[in-house]
Amino acid sequence: AQKVTQAQTEISVVEKEDVTLDCVYETRDTTYYLFWYKQPPSGELVFLIRRNSFDEQNEISGRYSWNFQKSTSSFNFTITASQVVDSAVYFCALNGGGGADGLTFGKGTHLIIQP
Amino acid sequence: DSGVTQTPKHLITATGQRVTLRCSPRSGDLSVYWYQQSLDQGLQFLIQYYNGEERAKGNILERFSAQQFPDLHSELNLSSLELGDSALYFCASSVGTSRREQYFGPGTRLTVT
Repeated sequence: AQKVTQAQTEISVVEKEDVTLDCVYETRDTTYYLFWYKQPPSGELVFLIRRNSFDEQNEISGRYSWNFQKSTSSFNFTITASQVVDSAVYFCALNGGGGADGLTFGKGTHLIIQP
Repeated sequence: DSGVTQTPKHLITATGQRVTLRCSPRSGDLSVYWYQQSLDQGLQFLIQYYNGEERAKGNILERFSAQQFPDLHSELNLSSLELGDSALYFCASSVGTSRREQYFGPGTRLTVT
């Protein structure tokens, strides 16, 4: 069975601080895909990134960066110089290589950026 | 805007009733997924359709069913509703199988009273 753990239920930081959201996953699949989604207060789920299990290169997109480490089964997400608009619930998700399953989500981390 | 549309936005109904939630995927996407988000269970995958055929089932109750029509829109039918079915129901779509990123609709908030 697959599992995604986001141990941080809530994080609160002051604007401009850097913050890292942790994600640890479990899967028996050798090929799998990892995702991060953002759920702002308005409620929709916004896709941020997809990473496959063969690609361990870190990715940077503006103030966002992701660190994938297969050795520790982690896929952490860092926001640099946080802004109030980053306040949201962030979900890490996993999809196995079978291709036909839905996403397995973590419980989410509620990120609060204080002005 | 993800390009996935869901109707209605809100639905309030009584226990024992039946409701239908509707989803239109992004143009060109063949896969439709349904998810339930509740405080107790978090985000859970319910079912996937690909080009009209059921492709995968998750934690979907027997009281729930879905279908995908030739124009690729999908409906999720919830029957014999219970208080515990109150949740946010999301539809998502992707180009092919779930190896690809899924784009989510705005959700339907169901309240069962």
